[in-house]
Amino acid sequence: EAQVTQNPRYLITVTGKKLTVTCSQNMNHEYMSWYRQDPGLGLRQIYYSMNVEVTDKGDVPEGYKVSRKEKRNFPLILESPSPNQTSLYFCASKGRIAGSTDTQYFGPGTRLTVL
Amino acid sequence: GNSVTQMEGPVTLSEEAFLTINCTYTATGYPSLFWYVQYPGEGLQLLLKATKADDKGSNKGFEATYRKETTSFHLEKGSVQVSDSAVYFCALSEKAGANNLFFGTGTRLTVIP
Repeated sequence: EAQVTQNPRYLITVTGKKLTVTCSQNMNHEYMSWYRQDPGLGLRQIYYSMNVEVTDKGDVPEGYKVSRKEKRNFPLILESPSPNQTSLYFCASKGRIAGSTDTQYFGPGTRLTVL
Repeated sequence: GNSVTQMEGPVTLSEEAFLTINCTYTATGYPSLFWYVQYPGEGLQLLLKATKADDKGSNKGFEATYRKETTSFHLEKGSVQVSDSAVYFCALSEKAGANNLFFGTGTRLTVIP
């Protein structure tokens, strides 16, 4: 089954304690992306990756890091989390088929609370 | 720049009522337009899409028509069901095949029996 998985699904942590949210896709997609969803703001892109070892900032990258060492995985790293990073996080992936508009596939979300 | 504006919710309807959720956009070039749905506790799923002017996307009884003259992509359904209760997001990508999506703020729909 084609899917994007995220772990953990729920996380409560404290300010300054480094954490990693993992994202994995089994569709051999080149493109992967992280979004955060906040009430009244919709989804905003944090970082994206066009392929292995190729990453770039989205609209709200401050306080986050990513890496893309393998095609299937795209972890989101919070080196020193702060309360304003409390949010619902979604990972997404998309393949590349020439001449078509491909669908983005979203993971189930990770709800992060930073105290 | 690129942006999406959709009607604020929440929207509450009785079962079998007609649904319209408005969405307008600002974009450079010729964007592709999408509606995503988020059911409670789940990630976003693509509901429908349209890639050029006058295209109509449809799925599960929902429809939306790409109107370039009014820069709109309103979502409609003739008869909603309780199972349609969800948050609906309008989104655009700059052009067909582009990767990055720009989302609206989402509209929560609740359908009551």
